Amino acid sequence: QKEVEQNSGPLSVPEGAIASLNCTYSDRGSQSFFWYRQYSGKSPELIMFIYSNGDKEDGRFTAQLNKASQYVSLLIRDSQPSDSATYLCAAYSGGGADGLTFGKGTHLIIQP
Amino acid sequence: GAVVSQHPSWVICKSGTSVKIECRSLDFQATTMFWYRQFPKQSLMLMATSNEGSKATYEQGVEKDKFLINHASLTLSTLTVTSAHPEDSSFYICSTRGRAYYEQYFGPGTRLTVT
Repeated sequence: QKEVEQNSGPLSVPEGAIASLNCTYSDRGSQSFFWYRQYSGKSPELIMFIYSNGDKEDGRFTAQLNKASQYVSLLIRDSQPSDSATYLCAAYSGGGADGLTFGKGTHLIIQP
Repeated sequence: GAVVSQHPSWVICKSGTSVKIECRSLDFQATTMFWYRQFPKQSLMLMATSNEGSKATYEQGVEKDKFLINHASLTLSTLTVTSAHPEDSSFYICSTRGRAYYEQYFGPGTRLTVT
């Protein structure tokens, strides 16, 4: 059974600080990992993906992957109130047509 | 990225009736589409993988006779919830796979309420 685990939160972070979101996965065969942002009542939007161990930076966002620990994280620098949303971690295990396995998401609140 | 639309965006139906949800890839020919379901405060759960011109592949626990999927063209997949019950009330979201395996574009979702 493929599982992706996230702390549901809420995680409250002051505006301008760094928000750190964590995710673990059970399937060692997972190849790639995705972070999506989902606003209430809306569908997810892709923030970034990572498939190699280490860090990947894109603007204010940094994804970190540690395959040995089966751990993925997302750092948001200079947090803004508009970053308040639920952040979903997802894993892709390959196989061609497989969809993604999602975690339940972490509810992030950026306090002005 | 690809643009994906869904119709309707929300629907209310009576128990026992059937509801069809359309997912369209507006600017990309999608050979593979995915259907997800999301209950309140829960994660997205993959229901099925829809392949153009062939039968859909359903995830374990999803009734294929209840959730009928048709992917008749490269731009349209439909999900029909047959004999809907209140427990089928949920947020249904489709997505298309892009050219690269890591590209997956989500539609805006359809909120189904069964009374």
